[in-house]
Amino acid sequence: AQSVSQHNHHVILSEAASLELGCNYSYGGTVNLFWYVQYPGQHLQLLLKYFSGDPLVKGIKGFEAEFIKSKFSFNLRKPSVQWSDTAEYFCAVNGDSNYQLIWGAGTKLIIKP
Amino acid sequence: DTGVSQDPRHKITKRGQNVTFRCDPISEHNRLYWYRQTLGQGPEFLTYFQNEAQLEKSRLLSDRFSAERPKGSFSTLEIQRTEQGDSAMYLCASSNQRGAGNTIYFGEGSWLTVV
Repeated sequence: AQSVSQHNHHVILSEAASLELGCNYSYGGTVNLFWYVQYPGQHLQLLLKYFSGDPLVKGIKGFEAEFIKSKFSFNLRKPSVQWSDTAEYFCAVNGDSNYQLIWGAGTKLIIKP
Repeated sequence: DTGVSQDPRHKITKRGQNVTFRCDPISEHNRLYWYRQTLGQGPEFLTYFQNEAQLEKSRLLSDRFSAERPKGSFSTLEIQRTEQGDSAMYLCASSNQRGAGNTIYFGEGSWLTVV
């Protein structure tokens, strides 16, 4: 069965620190990979996605993620975080079903001003 | 606003009552999904429509839950005889399968509290 693991449930950083949130999935076939963000009191928003091509994808608000097929990973990065990045971040995968997203449990990111 | 909209945003109900949530997807999207999210968890898939056809229901969805999408546009999710364990955020999402992949866009969710 497909699954997604986000290893850090809570991350606390200071402004301007660099960020890397881990995401690993288990699935042997072709996958589509997503990062969604949920700001406090708001709905899930797509941050970035990978379908094919360049494994380094850039999303909104300065975020990027790198797909490493050999490691089944799709880690999210940002070189310098801001207080407004405080949110919950979800990694999600869809594979052979091509419609059902399998979600990680989420990582709560708190940025100290 | 042309995003996914859900109504009501919040609902408090007594145990045993029925509740219904409505979702209006992005207009050109043929796929519609319902998810449930509880605090500290990622969304859990409930059911999926392609146009008006309900193609899959999760095993999580008990017989008290029913979803419809009668004309392939808006959808309703009804929960009968609500239980306290039904308290959660019910998320609707939509997508359009064109090109590579299938990007899903979410509504703001409907919070259900069963007391």
